[in-house]
Amino acid sequence: EVQLVGSGGGLVKPGGSLRLSCAASGFSLSEYSMNWVRQAPGKGLEWVSSISATSTYIYYADSVRGRFTISRDNAKGSLYLQMNSLTAEDTAVYYCASGIVRGRDYWGQGTLVTVSS
Amino acid sequence: EIVLTQSPATLSLSPGERATLSCRASQSVSNHLAWYQQKPGQTPRLLMYPASSRATGVPARFSGSGSETDFTLTISSLEPEDFAVYYCQQRSNWRDTFGQGTKLEI
Repeated sequence: EVQLVGSGGGLVKPGGSLRLSCAASGFSLSEYSMNWVRQAPGKGLEWVSSISATSTYIYYADSVRGRFTISRDNAKGSLYLQMNSLTAEDTAVYYCASGIVRGRDYWGQGTLVTVSS
Repeated sequence: EIVLTQSPATLSLSPGERATLSCRASQSVSNHLAWYQQKPGQTPRLLMYPASSRATGVPARFSGSGSETDFTLTISSLEPEDFAVYYCQQRSNWRDTFGQGTKLEI
């Protein structure tokens, strides 16, 4: 069974940091570009960052550029998002999601990040 | 940044009716446009990518059309399970922006 399992979310104070992880099982992570997508409470989906299969290409939304860093370890089957200088506007459920290959993609269950004092 | 504008924001229909959802891009995305369905408490489900190709396992009542800047998702005859929020997403330049969503309600 294909699974993406996100972890690392939690409550953090403004200005703080968190590192999200996403562990893949049941498929070869190294064949897929990967993404982080977030969804603030009651709001729509927001693309955060993308990384190509071999980490050659990395892109960020303007709202997180300079504060967030995406990375991956294909040998470990894992995707990461280092989040620094967090603000209340970063409060959201963070999903890891694969690129679309042969008509399908895969999403993690989401991990909640709450930024509050 | 490519901006996607979805319309209408809310669409109120009944089971058995036809639904037409629109997504307009601020610049050409060719056919690199995906449609997702999201139900409360669930992760998004891929419906279409590229613009007119159904994803694996998606029922034939869903169809997509369009290219460049104007796209449409059509549900030919609504089933009760189709009432959800629908998002378009462009995947033309690695910065995969989403539209703001259309809520399809009964």
